[in-house]
Amino acid sequence: QKEVEQDPGPLSVPEGAIVSLNCTYSNSAFQYFMWYRQYSRKGPELLMYTYSSGNKEDGRFTAQVDKSSKYISLFIRDSQPSDSATYLCAMRGGGSNYKLTFGKGTLLTVNP
Amino acid sequence: SAVISQKPSRDICQRGTSLTIQCQVDSQVTMMFWYRQQPGQSLTLIATANQGSEATYESGFVIDKFPISRPNLTFSTLTVSNMSPEDSSIYLCSVEGGLAGYEQYFGPGTRLTVT
Repeated sequence: QKEVEQDPGPLSVPEGAIVSLNCTYSNSAFQYFMWYRQYSRKGPELLMYTYSSGNKEDGRFTAQVDKSSKYISLFIRDSQPSDSATYLCAMRGGGSNYKLTFGKGTLLTVNP
Repeated sequence: SAVISQKPSRDICQRGTSLTIQCQVDSQVTMMFWYRQQPGQSLTLIATANQGSEATYESGFVIDKFPISRPNLTFSTLTVSNMSPEDSSIYLCSVEGGLAGYEQYFGPGTRLTVT
């Protein structure tokens, strides 16, 4: 079993839809959880980061972490064509363990 | 967040040769990281580079193949040595920072094709 599982999609939605992106993980030592957005031929851009379980909201984006289920989600409200990109989940342990473990990424297309 | 640049942005190289990738950050950072992103695969950490000490390599990556330099707090290089087509990938550097202290920020990447 891979440490981090992420459905690669592709996911295609109409403009204005609510998008749900998810990752599951197996390593209970993970404490920090991040979502990156990567446009074609660009580096990953940090979107959201959370520590431990709970929700975090930033504009149209909401990140959720459920450590009991080892499940994290990113919700995008009122999706826009400019949201079309690959979304990568990433996570790491605590303390001096800096290594990020990534999912494979989900390719999202928002159609106007 | 830090502004990170990489050179070259892309290159096409012949097998058996070596390529050195540069990473420059606009602020001083303690830790820099080098990742590889192969098509259809997760980003994978190659090594962690601290200024003034030897880089720490992840399982499956060795110094002879991926030598790293970290001469100061704003700069690092990764060399891909004796390249084969299997080394064709995107190579990314990243740094830790931000308000919470555990975020990682990435450079734009170097797209390498080995023929």
